[in-house]
Amino acid sequence: ETGVTQTPRHLVMGMTNKKSLKCEQHLGHNAMYWYKQSAKKPLELMFVYSLEERVENNSVPSRFSPECPNSSHLFLHLHTLQPEDSALYLCASSQQPSGGTEAFFGQGTRLTVV
Amino acid sequence: AQSVAQPEDQVNVAEGNPLTVKCTYSVSGNPYLFWYVQYPNRGLQFLLKYITGDNLVKGSYGFEAEFNKSQTSFHLKKPSALVSDSALYFCAVRVTLTGGGNKLTFGTGTQLKVEL
Repeated sequence: ETGVTQTPRHLVMGMTNKKSLKCEQHLGHNAMYWYKQSAKKPLELMFVYSLEERVENNSVPSRFSPECPNSSHLFLHLHTLQPEDSALYLCASSQQPSGGTEAFFGQGTRLTVV
Repeated sequence: AQSVAQPEDQVNVAEGNPLTVKCTYSVSGNPYLFWYVQYPNRGLQFLLKYITGDNLVKGSYGFEAEFNKSQTSFHLKKPSALVSDSALYFCAVRVTLTGGGNKLTFGTGTQLKVEL
């Protein structure tokens, strides 16, 4: 409904698994973002891609690896995660460099690491 | 650093009463400010934004926000609350990145609870 689609909606994975989160935007935007939302914590920006280049990486552990093959798709590859990585992972897109345009969010992927 | 603050973790209001969710900002230059709402297990939905112009901004679902430069505030308001307005509300500011482009920096969120 928002033009940003995330799959899967829910994911349960073991600490030794490898999985990927997918985000696709149908809005013609040129910037995409990954945010992490943990219970009782502020939204944390993880990665920013602008024009398919990574422009910010907020000291995210290497067990999280982003990929942006084109302006419409964004992936977050996960491996050897920890239980504290369990959270809602939100993808967003916007149009750069216009500072006045709002970002649109996907529904999120609820990740549980067991 | 450019940031926003939401001083209240939770706001309770009776249905039909006016509601206010507070946000203050700290930015250099002209601020681009936003409000988003999040329902349980959902992504964030855009409500409204202030870029320039009128200090009173009208948005979705009957919400509005007042930009006050002297008080560095951008409070979210609604004249008559509905039970369905109960959700988590985030204030955000647009921050320019040194590597190019920009991002949103969010406040900690305010849980709004509207009761009958």
